[in-house]
Amino acid sequence: DAKTTQPPSMDCAEGRAANLPCNHSTISGNEYVYWYRQIHSQGPQYIIHGLKNNETNEMASLIITEDRKSSTLILPHATLRDTAVYYCIVRVEGSNTGKLIFGQGTTLQVKP
Amino acid sequence: KAGVTQTPRYLIKTRGQQVTLSCSPISGHRSVSWYQQTPGQGLQFLFEYFSETQRNKGNFPGRFSGRQFSNSRSEMNVSTLELGDSALYLCASSLESRAGWRSSPLHFGNGTRLTVT
Repeated sequence: DAKTTQPPSMDCAEGRAANLPCNHSTISGNEYVYWYRQIHSQGPQYIIHGLKNNETNEMASLIITEDRKSSTLILPHATLRDTAVYYCIVRVEGSNTGKLIFGQGTTLQVKP
Repeated sequence: KAGVTQTPRYLIKTRGQQVTLSCSPISGHRSVSWYQQTPGQGLQFLFEYFSETQRNKGNFPGRFSGRQFSNSRSEMNVSTLELGDSALYLCASSLESRAGWRSSPLHFGNGTRLTVT
C-alpha cells in the first residue's frame, strides 16, 4: 500500500472550516483514500473514503486532486469536539485485508 | 446497531503472566482485525481473522496469538507478558469484501488498555 504524508499538527478556530491535507504521490489506480480520526483514549473513527471523485457525508467532505496524488479532508464547521488525531490511509480496492497502515497523522486542535 | 465491543476496558497484569482480550464485532461483520497502539510505535497491525481463519499477520512475535469463533467473535492472547506489551489493543471489524465490490471500511472498538507491571 502507498504511504501518505501529513503535517504533524494544525490549528483551527471553532466554527471555521478545517482543511487537512494529505500527500499520497505513489498511490495506485486501485487504491482508495480513507480518513479516520482518533479522539484521546478512543478507537479510530471512520470518517470518509473515496477513489477519484469528491465525496461528502454528514461528517466531512473529501477532495481528491485529478492526478490523485493528494487529497484534502474538509470539516465544514469545526467544533471543539473535532479536536483529534486525523489519519489519512490508502487501501487497495476490494481488498479483503483488515490491515491498514497508519502513519503519525495530523493532530488537529480546534480553538474557541 | 451496536458498535464493536471490547472487554475488558482496562487490565493490569504482571510480567510473565498471560492475558486474553475479547472482541465482539458489529452484527453481520465477519472480518476481525487486531491492532496495538503505543506512544512510540503508533498503531500497528497484529492479525486479521475471517471465518475462523487467520488470513493476515503483522510483524509480532509468536507470543501474540488470536482466534475467531463461529459467531465471528474474536479473542487475542498474549503469553509471557513483557513490560513493552503495555499498550492499547484495538479490535476492528468490517464486512467481507469480494472482488469487484467497493472497499468496506473498518470500524474500531474503544480498545483494551493493558498495563504490564
